[in-house]
This record gives sequence, C-alpha cells and structure tokens, in this order.
Amino acid sequence: DAGVTQSPTHLIKTRGQQVTLRCSPKSGHDTVSWYQQALGQGPQFIFQYYEEEERQRGNFPDRFSGHQFPNYSSELNVNALLLGDSALYLCASSHPAGGPGNGYTFGSGTRLTVV
Amino acid sequence: AQSVTQLGSHVSVSEGALVLLRCNYSSSVPPYLFWYVQYPNQGLQLLLKYTSAATLVKGINGFEAEFKKSETSFHLTKPSAHMSDAAEYFCAVTNNNAGNMLTFGGGTRLMVKP
Repeated sequence: DAGVTQSPTHLIKTRGQQVTLRCSPKSGHDTVSWYQQALGQGPQFIFQYYEEEERQRGNFPDRFSGHQFPNYSSELNVNALLLGDSALYLCASSHPAGGPGNGYTFGSGTRLTVV
Repeated sequence: AQSVTQLGSHVSVSEGALVLLRCNYSSSVPPYLFWYVQYPNQGLQLLLKYTSAATLVKGINGFEAEFKKSETSFHLTKPSAHMSDAAEYFCAVTNNNAGNMLTFGGGTRLMVKP
C-alpha cells in the first residue's frame, strides 16, 4: 500500500522564481494538507484541500497557492520565491470521515533551497 | 485557538535509560494529541495519538504517553532508550474546531549516548 508520495525530493531555485511541488495521497485518502518546516522548527500549516477546494488556510501569503485534482493529488505553488521560503515542504493526507482524531499520513517531503 | 509547547529542544540520555519528552498543550475545546518522530531527511511518522479514549496511550517502538487534562500535558516516555531512538520528536494538537489542521510544537531532538 503506497503511502504519501512527493516529488521532487530536492529542488534549488533562484529568488524571484516560481516553484511547483507535487503530492499523491495515500490510497483511500481524499484530503491533502501542506506544511512548511523551516530548519530547526516544527511544521507550519499552509493549507488544506478537499473536494478540489481550499478548505483551510494558515498564516501564509497569497504567493502560496495550491490545487487538488480529481484523483486527489495536489500541487503546491510558490511564486516570487524569497530566501525565507527555503524549507522542507511536507504533504499529508487524511480521510475526513475519520475526524480530526484520525491524524495524518505524511510524505517524506520536498527540500526547497532558494539561492 | 490551540498551541503546543515542548520543553527542552535537546534531550540527551544514555542507552538503556528512561526517555521523557515533555509536551504541554493549549486548546479551547477537548484536544486530539499526537506524537510524531522524524529521522534525518525524512518525513513524519506517527508514534501514537490520544483521541479521548484511554488516557494512557501506547504507540510503536515501545513509546507511550499519558494525557493529563489537569496539567494540560501529554508527555512521551519510553522505559529504555535504544540508539535507534535518536531522532527529532514533535508533539501536535488539533480539535473539532480546527478541522484537520495540526499545530506542532518546536520539536525535541533526542540524542542517545552509548
């Protein structure tokens, strides 16, 4: 049973560029959330997608946007990259029928470095 | 509103010693609490979760945690540390008002000395 898969695993971009990160949820999961984990910190919630719509959003600027496809996979887009966007980006999937107590399954992340 | 505080960004124990990682939470409604482990260059793996059933929760790899409402705590313990336990540990909270949004603590790096 495949878990959450993310691509690419590593990425180097230049300031001002745009980046797209991809996530395929665990089989049977239909909700995808994205987290940003800066070096030495805990993950911070970016947003959550369910039924192809953004359902919740954390305290991130509009430069961060996303999309969910009919097959439940998701993309995270970041425009006008800043050095401070360098982080590990984690995708997590869940099934809302299980409620908040069900928790998430996390992918291994995409390490984004902005130079 | 919800938040998590993990006391001690670094904890060092000897192999075979007790592991105690501290987590205090704040939640306006009954919480769901989680402990995740992160090995270098990897994602997060769920160790255990509290979902309002038993207050003493047993997880994988011999870890357990006890929910104490009066102390707003959910500390993680393991009776005997192994070298393979060296990793970063994160406590997280959510509740029915937060949807599925997890709020994480800053993490505790566990080091195990031979």
